[in-house]
Amino acid sequence: AQKVTQAQTEISVVEKEDVTLDCVYETRDTTYYLFWYKQPPSGELVFLIRRNSFDEQNEISGRYSWNFQKSTSSFNFTITASQVVDSAVYFCALSEAKATDSWGKLQFGAGTQVVVTP
Amino acid sequence: EAQVTQNPRYLITVTGKKLTVTCSQNMNHEYMSWYRQDPGLGLRQIYYSMNVEVTDKGDVPEGYKVSRKEKRNFPLILESPSPNQTSLYFCASRRGGYDTEAFFGQGTRLTVV
Repeated sequence: AQKVTQAQTEISVVEKEDVTLDCVYETRDTTYYLFWYKQPPSGELVFLIRRNSFDEQNEISGRYSWNFQKSTSSFNFTITASQVVDSAVYFCALSEAKATDSWGKLQFGAGTQVVVTP
Repeated sequence: EAQVTQNPRYLITVTGKKLTVTCSQNMNHEYMSWYRQDPGLGLRQIYYSMNVEVTDKGDVPEGYKVSRKEKRNFPLILESPSPNQTSLYFCASRRGGYDTEAFFGQGTRLTVV
């Protein structure tokens, strides 16, 4: 079963619009980490943020912000005032402390393609 | 500079011709793994290694082999590639376990015809 769901396949916005990417996860573990990665058109994977399961504070880094809500098992990502350079595929991932099938595995969602047009 | 280096970046091969994708990291990380990325599926783990000579299967290990003879290197071997192994492959390393970020290589785009 998919443990990380990114229901939005593609989001298209015009520059300067805000865009929110949804991430819903599933785990029985009480200790886990959540991550966001960016994959620009060049193909590499760029780490954006990690958040542990005990820290529900929202985080802001420049135009990026993250909203972690354990009650809804969600870790959503917002880009404020989007720019063309934000065009990329964004992946949400889960890493569980007590994963029985693969220690240290990152479980990725399917990704959301963000297209920002001028 | 801390990095994970994969080679080659692009590879076109024919069915059944053995190939190896190399992966090397310079961060002295114990944990390394291989993922494949396919449209609509995200990244799925193929194999992982917790240390030298310690490897185990991930979610999609069929058709792949790995080895970890040195801490820095973790090659992915396709003994007899098939077209369903056409994919984008990433090597990753992590300093520790579940709580650390993963560093990824640049990716290897493999086409099997």
